Amino acid sequence: DAGVTQSPTHLIKTRGQHVTLRCSPISGHKSVSWYQQVLGQGPQFIFQYYEKEERGRGNFPDRFSARQFPNYSSELNVNALLLGDSALYLCASSPRQGLGYGYTFGSGTRLTVV
Amino acid sequence: AQSVTQLGSHVSVSEGALVLLRCNYSSSVPPYLFWYVQYPNQGLQLLLKYTSAATLVKGINGFEAEFKKSETSFHLTKPSAHMSDAAEYFCAVSEGDTNAGKSTFGDGTTLTVKP
Repeated sequence: DAGVTQSPTHLIKTRGQHVTLRCSPISGHKSVSWYQQVLGQGPQFIFQYYEKEERGRGNFPDRFSARQFPNYSSELNVNALLLGDSALYLCASSPRQGLGYGYTFGSGTRLTVV
Repeated sequence: AQSVTQLGSHVSVSEGALVLLRCNYSSSVPPYLFWYVQYPNQGLQLLLKYTSAATLVKGINGFEAEFKKSETSFHLTKPSAHMSDAAEYFCAVSEGDTNAGKSTFGDGTTLTVKP
C-alpha cells in the first residue's frame, strides 16, 4: 500500500515568491496535518484538516494557508517567502481525527528559500 | 499549554548497551505521549504511544517507554542497542484524543551507536 506521498521532494524558491506543497494521504485517511521542521529542531504544528474542514492552526503567520480537497489530499500554500521559511515540511495522515488511529508521516518536502 | 523537553541532544552508546533517551513533558490536561524515530532524509515513524492505558508501553523494534505522572516523564529505553537504531528520536505530546494531529514535539535526540 502507498504511504503518505508528498510532492515535490525538494524545491528552491526566491524570497517573496509563493509556493504550493502537496500531500496525498494514505487511501481511506481523512485527517491530514502539516508540520514545519527547521534544521536541528523538532516538527512544529501548522495545520490540521479533517473532513475538508480546518480543525486546528498553529502559531504561524497568515502567509501560511492550507486546504483539503474532496479526495482528502491537501495543499499547503506559503506566500511572500522569507529566508526563515526554509525547512522540511511534513504531512501526516490518519483515518480519523482521533489519536487511536495513529498518524503516518510522509518523507517531506525540503524547501530552500534563497 | 503543552511542551516537551528532551534532555541531551546527543546520546552515544555501544552496540549491545542499554539505550535511554529522556523526555519530560508539560500539559494542562492528561497527556497523550509519543516517541517517533527519524532516519536521514525521511519522515517520522511512530515507535510507540501512551494513551492513558498501561503506563509501560511497548513499541516497535524492541523499544519501550514508561509514563511517570509524578515525574512528568516518558523516557524511551531499549535493553540492547543495534547499529540500525542510530537515528534521531523525537518525543511529542498532545492534549487528548482529538488533538492528536496537533502534537508538540521536542527538539530531538540524536542516537549514535558505536560498534
